[in-house]
Amino acid sequence: EAGVVQSPRYKIIEKKQPVAFWCNPISGHNTLYWYLQNLGQGPELLIRYENEEAVDDSQLPKDRFSAERLKGVDSTLKIQPAELGDSAVYLCASSRGEFGDTQYFGPGTRLTVL
Amino acid sequence: AQSVTQLGSHVSVSEGALVLLRCNYSSSVPPYLFWYVQYPNQGLQLLLKYTSAATLVKGINGFEAEFKKSETSFHLTKPSAHMSDAAEYFCAVGAQGGSEKLVFGKGTKLTVNP
Repeated sequence: EAGVVQSPRYKIIEKKQPVAFWCNPISGHNTLYWYLQNLGQGPELLIRYENEEAVDDSQLPKDRFSAERLKGVDSTLKIQPAELGDSAVYLCASSRGEFGDTQYFGPGTRLTVL
Repeated sequence: AQSVTQLGSHVSVSEGALVLLRCNYSSSVPPYLFWYVQYPNQGLQLLLKYTSAATLVKGINGFEAEFKKSETSFHLTKPSAHMSDAAEYFCAVGAQGGSEKLVFGKGTKLTVNP
């Protein structure tokens, strides 16, 4: 079974530039999560999708961050414009969507904003 | 609301020694509890989880954790450390009957000395 796929693995951009991250969840997983992981910290949830619906985006900074999950499979997270403080690892995870289900994580995208 | 405290951001043990990583949680409802491991430049991998069945949970790579409600703890142990156990470990809590949101601790970096 293929795991969660994320791309790119690494991204370096200048501040004020846009950037996008892509995630392909495990086949059959209805729930998809985007997490932010700052250096030396645990992951923090940005947004959770059930199928194509964003059911929890309370922690997503909506002035510059946006996300979509068209057709309830792949998802894209975008930042526009990026700021220096956005440098972090962006993790995608997926699960079957039942309470207590394991969340399976992708390798993450490490973003550096210069 | 849930929260997790991991005592000790860095733990160092000798190869063959006992590994003990501490996790205390706060939850207003019965919790789900997870331990994840993260190797450098990789995503998080599930070690084990507690979902209200047996209080002693066995996971992969010889790790186990015991749920102690009276102490609100879910400490991770391994009898004999191996060099390959060097990584960062995250404890996370979710709410039974609630949303699937996981709240992660800040992590404990385990170093194994030869």
